[in-house]
Amino acid sequence: DVVMTQTPVSLSVAIGQPASISCKSSQSLVHSDGKTYLNWLLQRPGQSPKRLIYLVSKLDSGIPDRFSGSGSETDFTLKISRVEADDLGVYYCLQGTHFPYTFGAGTKLELK
Amino acid sequence: QVQLKESGPGLVQPSQTLSLTCTVSGFSLTSNSVHWVRQPPGKGLEWMGGIWGDGSTDYNSALKSRLSISRDTSKSQVFLKMNSLQTDDTAIYFCTHGSYWGQGVMVTVSS
Repeated sequence: DVVMTQTPVSLSVAIGQPASISCKSSQSLVHSDGKTYLNWLLQRPGQSPKRLIYLVSKLDSGIPDRFSGSGSETDFTLKISRVEADDLGVYYCLQGTHFPYTFGAGTKLELK
Repeated sequence: QVQLKESGPGLVQPSQTLSLTCTVSGFSLTSNSVHWVRQPPGKGLEWMGGIWGDGSTDYNSALKSRLSISRDTSKSQVFLKMNSLQTDDTAIYFCTHGSYWGQGVMVTVSS
């Protein structure tokens, strides 16, 4: 199975400051169709996960452009340009290239 | 709009079979996939498996021997059945399609 390693485990950020989360995969996430199926999700406390980004860098509908995704092959990053209170929760990366699909262990974003 | 809603028993006895239903609206099961993901209390997410628009299925190899996913397109429902449940199967079970997730259903395995 593809192992998704997320760092840091937790992140304490002041409102208005930037944040960055890394996700590294144990093998390339480039699919045979040429696409890279790397997603980022946010799970707020007590809620279902919500997808923010798919195909490495495409924002889902309604997701503010404070969020951005980048990376390739095995190395991916989620960046928040200016953290807002609504951004708090646990962020997960998810690879959908290889079966079984696998998640990172999560990064908890907290307020400083 | 797209919605998914899980339903099923909140409590299952050890060694018994779990049956969950995901009722969807806003999209067709014949041309879209639905996946099941679970989350033990206080832990991370695990992809269990999915059913594709053509009816084919894929499963997490760790669960494959116990898991079955099927659907009834006329009712817009996707089903999960997992047998031989143990206490470590206690989790919130979600169904998901693309960027959409259900609210989840908490399943506790206990006698």
